[in-house]
Amino acid sequence: AQSVAQPEDQVNVAEGNPLTVKCTYSVSGNPYLFWYVQYPNRGLQFLLKYITGDNLVKGSYGFEAEFNKSQTSFHLKKPSALVSDSALYFCAVRDDTGGFKTIFGAGTRLFVKA
Amino acid sequence: NAGVTQTPKFRVLKTGQSMTLLCAQDMNHEYMYWYRQDPGMGLRLIHYSVGEGTTAKGEVPDGYNVSRLKKQNFLLGLESAAPSQTSVYFCASSLGGGGYGYTFGSGTRLTVV
Repeated sequence: AQSVAQPEDQVNVAEGNPLTVKCTYSVSGNPYLFWYVQYPNRGLQFLLKYITGDNLVKGSYGFEAEFNKSQTSFHLKKPSALVSDSALYFCAVRDDTGGFKTIFGAGTRLFVKA
Repeated sequence: NAGVTQTPKFRVLKTGQSMTLLCAQDMNHEYMYWYRQDPGMGLRLIHYSVGEGTTAKGEVPDGYNVSRLKKQNFLLGLESAAPSQTSVYFCASSLGGGGYGYTFGSGTRLTVV
């Protein structure tokens, strides 16, 4: 069965510092991995995805994520955080065995302090 | 370019009442989904559809029904609302399965009293 874990409910970082939001996953086949961001009172917005190829994936707003197959992780990163990055971040996974469903993590709230 | 549109945005229901949430997408996406979002639980899949005329159950389908009579619309029905169905409901669509990401609507905040 598919599952996604985001071990941190909240991440606090100072503006200008690098940030990491952690995600680990479990799937039967090969994973398709996604990150989404949710701003207050809004729907989720797609940030980036990993399907195959380079382990470092670049996405919107300067975010990137690193796929690590041996550690079954897909951590979201940004070299220099902005106050406007403060939001709720969701990791999601789907496997390549023909399933139609994407499983979402519980979310990690990111606070960037000026 | 509207993307995914959900109506209504807010609703308060009394226990036992029924209602239908509407989702419309203008991107010609094949797949559509209904999720509910509850604090600390992330998004849980209620029902989904992989094409016009098809529907399937997700993780938490009890108490909900869906219909996909037209490709662009996906309706979520609550036949007899319960307080446990108080939640924020999100509709999403995707071009297909596999590596396609989702486009989400802005959500419907439902309170059942």
